[in-house]
Amino acid sequence: QSVLTQPPSASGTPGQRVTISCSGSSSNIGSNYVYWYQQLPGTAPKLLIYRNNQRPSGVPDRFSGSKSGTSASLAISGLRSEDEADYYCTAWDDSLSGWVFGGGTKLTVL
Amino acid sequence: QVQLVQSGAEVKKPGASVKVSCKASGYTFTSYGINWVRQAPGQGLEWMGWISAYNGNTNYAQKLQGRVTMTTDTSTSTAYMELRSLRSDDTAVYYCAREVVRYSSGDNWFDPWGQGTLVTVSS
Repeated sequence: QSVLTQPPSASGTPGQRVTISCSGSSSNIGSNYVYWYQQLPGTAPKLLIYRNNQRPSGVPDRFSGSKSGTSASLAISGLRSEDEADYYCTAWDDSLSGWVFGGGTKLTVL
Repeated sequence: QVQLVQSGAEVKKPGASVKVSCKASGYTFTSYGINWVRQAPGQGLEWMGWISAYNGNTNYAQKLQGRVTMTTDTSTSTAYMELRSLRSDDTAVYYCAREVVRYSSGDNWFDPWGQGTLVTVSS
């Protein structure tokens, strides 16, 4: 049981826009930044979004993040086949004094 | 380029210990902390803890307190994670990840990650 809650799966067709939600509490998302990682099949996770909505260099602007209260979301527009991956949200938790992750969302491009 | 290279796969019996290494290159090792994250087969990511490569301070996940020890060797720019009293549910891919801190904005993230080390616990 993960501290942050994500839908286990999401899907879309090429060119569509999909959104992945991440729900937490006041001790994590509500008081700290949210980060998103992309894990392509068989590889290590890679930073996708930092500080709620910032993209590292090299990440396409098709990826965007947002946060409101104790929830966050990742949006992917212009969906492409190479976006098929697992996506994880994470935030620092003040009560646990550690990082907490969502259970991950498997994105399928139909 | 900044890189973290981990040691190879391990097979251990229940009750044994495992020590995974993570060799850093391409940056000043002592300027960043190292986090360890594990992923059980088909499951999500679980944060295990953090170690400062500057002074060796640690912060372990409550769930693993007493069973995990993280250390560094600054002479070889290598971080280590030892897990004791292994159980079958410790079977997972173990990742190290450098923690990047931006004091000006108050945020930090994991980048890059090592390639992962599969630890299998089986009798």
